[in-house]
Amino acid sequence: KNEVEQSPQNLTAQEGEFITINCSYSVGISALHWLQQHPGGGIVSLFMLSSGKKKHGRLIATINIQEKHSSLHITASHPRDSAVYICAVSKGGSRLTFGEGTQLTVNP
Amino acid sequence: DGGITQSPKYLFRKEGQNVTLSCEQNLNHDAMYWYRQDPGQGLRLIYYSQIVNDFQKGDIAEGYSVSREKKESFPLTVTSAQKNPTAFYLCATTGPLAGYNEQFFGPGTRLTVL
Repeated sequence: KNEVEQSPQNLTAQEGEFITINCSYSVGISALHWLQQHPGGGIVSLFMLSSGKKKHGRLIATINIQEKHSSLHITASHPRDSAVYICAVSKGGSRLTFGEGTQLTVNP
Repeated sequence: DGGITQSPKYLFRKEGQNVTLSCEQNLNHDAMYWYRQDPGQGLRLIYYSQIVNDFQKGDIAEGYSVSREKKESFPLTVTSAQKNPTAFYLCATTGPLAGYNEQFFGPGTRLTVL
């Protein structure tokens, strides 16, 4: 079993819909990361969080340390949000362990 | 402008040939990483280096080699011993201003073995 599990693997939405991507982990962590990978392959960091909730524009990330679970929400989704969203955890030190990613497609 | 560059973007090689992927950064980051990404799988760590002239194996180091002679550069050689080298390769870095927690990624190199 992977230490970091994401769901769903694939998600298709209509423009304007509220989207949730989930991440569960089975190890102790120092931080959880949400990353976005565009079709060209480049990866950007969206959030790094160790507790609570963070918001950036239409994106919201939450984490529940007790339940070892995090969610990434996208409000008012847009076709430009189409990408692979990756959850990763730091277990102490700088190494990351990655989930398999969620392919999001937002149709106009 | 600051960032991480990987070259080339696409690389083709014949079976049995070694090939070197470039990763250069001008972020003054100490730590550098090489990952491999395959369809439907998460990123897997090949090698990492936390300081010049030192590097450690990651989870899938077999068939790969690296060097870290300069802070700015961390080239990855895919040797003929790597049984299934076709993949997307990503380089990443981190440093003290990022708390050594947040990693910054290069644009990647897509390697295809013919």
